[in-house]
Amino acid sequence: GDSVTQMEGPVTLSEEAFLTINCTYTATGYPSLFWYVQYPGEGLQLLLKATKADDKGSNKGFEATYRKETTSFHLEKGSVQVSDSAVYFCALSDIRTSYDKVIFGPGTSLSVIP
Amino acid sequence: SQTIHQWPATLVQPVGSPLSLECTVEGTSNPNLYWYRQAAGRGLQLLFYSVGIGQISSEVPQNLSASRPQDRQFILSSKKLLLSDSGFYLCAWSVWGSTYAGELFFGEGSRLTVL
Repeated sequence: GDSVTQMEGPVTLSEEAFLTINCTYTATGYPSLFWYVQYPGEGLQLLLKATKADDKGSNKGFEATYRKETTSFHLEKGSVQVSDSAVYFCALSDIRTSYDKVIFGPGTSLSVIP
Repeated sequence: SQTIHQWPATLVQPVGSPLSLECTVEGTSNPNLYWYRQAAGRGLQLLFYSVGIGQISSEVPQNLSASRPQDRQFILSSKKLLLSDSGFYLCAWSVWGSTYAGELFFGEGSRLTVL
């Protein structure tokens, strides 16, 4: 079945460092891809998405490009801030079903230190 | 605008006691509704989803159940809690087939500790 793999961390970076969180997926169709973020003690919220190959999603300085040839959707940010400390989930959505079947990766915990 | 609320936010229950978590959505009609569980240090596990009133599908067999008595209300229940039911429970909604296809909108979560 469809699945998502991502580096589990935890990842610890200094403020203003470059961030990359790797995400790869396995899917039989052409899924939409997402990054969700979970701040401490809260629910998840959508960070960015891409719905087809070569699309780039971006938000709050974060970017990810849908790479069909490598089945990847790596999350990047050029300069992280302490406020970016959170858990990041890569996910895909299988639109062939009658509901939004979203499959999540295990999450990557990011800590940014001043 | 659409909002989602779930409660209680925190719950400490003894083994064998019942459970009821409630979730309501405002500002949208006929949403798809979901219950996820997030165990400590692990990813999200889909427990139940519902595409309409009274329509519940279970992804993982367990001692939990779900009900949807109204269009925008989703309830997670258990008759007898187990230690393994501890975790962070998240309600979510989506509108399948819309321009937001695949996007889930999550509530604030309910942290359950079973002792």
